[in-house]
Amino acid sequence: KNQVEQSPQSLIILEGKNCTLQCNYTVSPFSNLRWYKQDTGRGPVSLTIMTFSENTKSNGRYTATLDADTKQSSLHITASQLSDSASYICVVSAGAGSYQLTFGKGTKLSVIP
Amino acid sequence: DAGVIQSPRHEVTEMGQEVTLRCKPISGHNSLFWYRQTMMRGLELLIYFNNNVPIDDSGMPEDRFSAKMPNASFSTLKIQPSEPRDSAVYFCASSRSSGRAVGEQFFGPGTRLTVL
Repeated sequence: KNQVEQSPQSLIILEGKNCTLQCNYTVSPFSNLRWYKQDTGRGPVSLTIMTFSENTKSNGRYTATLDADTKQSSLHITASQLSDSASYICVVSAGAGSYQLTFGKGTKLSVIP
Repeated sequence: DAGVIQSPRHEVTEMGQEVTLRCKPISGHNSLFWYRQTMMRGLELLIYFNNNVPIDDSGMPEDRFSAKMPNASFSTLKIQPSEPRDSAVYFCASSRSSGRAVGEQFFGPGTRLTVL
C-alpha cells in the first residue's frame, strides 16, 4: 500500500531559526514529490516539486531534498518568519501524469516571536 | 485568475439534513477533484472528473455521497442524509490535463462542514 509518513507531527521554533521537516514514502511507481504549504483555513499550495532525478530544489527560503534510493525527502526552512506558521504536507505522485496522489498527514509548524 | 472557488466556506447542519457543496474550477482546467481532510486521515480523494465525466469515484464513502459536474465551470458534492462523522473540510481542486496526464492540482479554500 502506498504510504507517506511525515515527522515531526508538530514543531515550535523561534522566529529567525532554521528547521527541517522529514518525509518518508513507500509509493510505487514514483513520479514526483511535492511539498505543499497549508495556511490555517486555506487550501494547500505547492512549494516545490521534484522528480526522480532531482536531489534538491529551492524556492526562496524553502529548500527541498530528495533521496530516491532511501525514499526520503526533507524540507528545510531558513531564517523562519511568523508567516511560515502553517502545515506542511508531503505529497507523492505514483506514475507520470497520474491523478492519484498519496498525502502525508503533515507537520504543523508554529513560529513564535 | 480567481483560483478555485468554493462555497459555502462554512456549513453547520443537523444530522439527517442534505448538504450541497459547490465548486468553480479555474477557467481552462479540465480535471476536477473533490477531497476530504480530517485530522485522523489527512487528505483523501473522493472523486475525480475529467472533461466533466467521473473517472474515479472509488473514494466516495457510501451512497449518501454524490457528485456531479454538469459543465466545465461547476461541480457539486452532495451529502444526503448527513451524519456527524461527515464533519471535515472538503476541498475542490482543478488541473489542466492532456490525455491521461494530469497536471498540477490547484486547491480551493475548502468548505468546513460541521454536522451536529
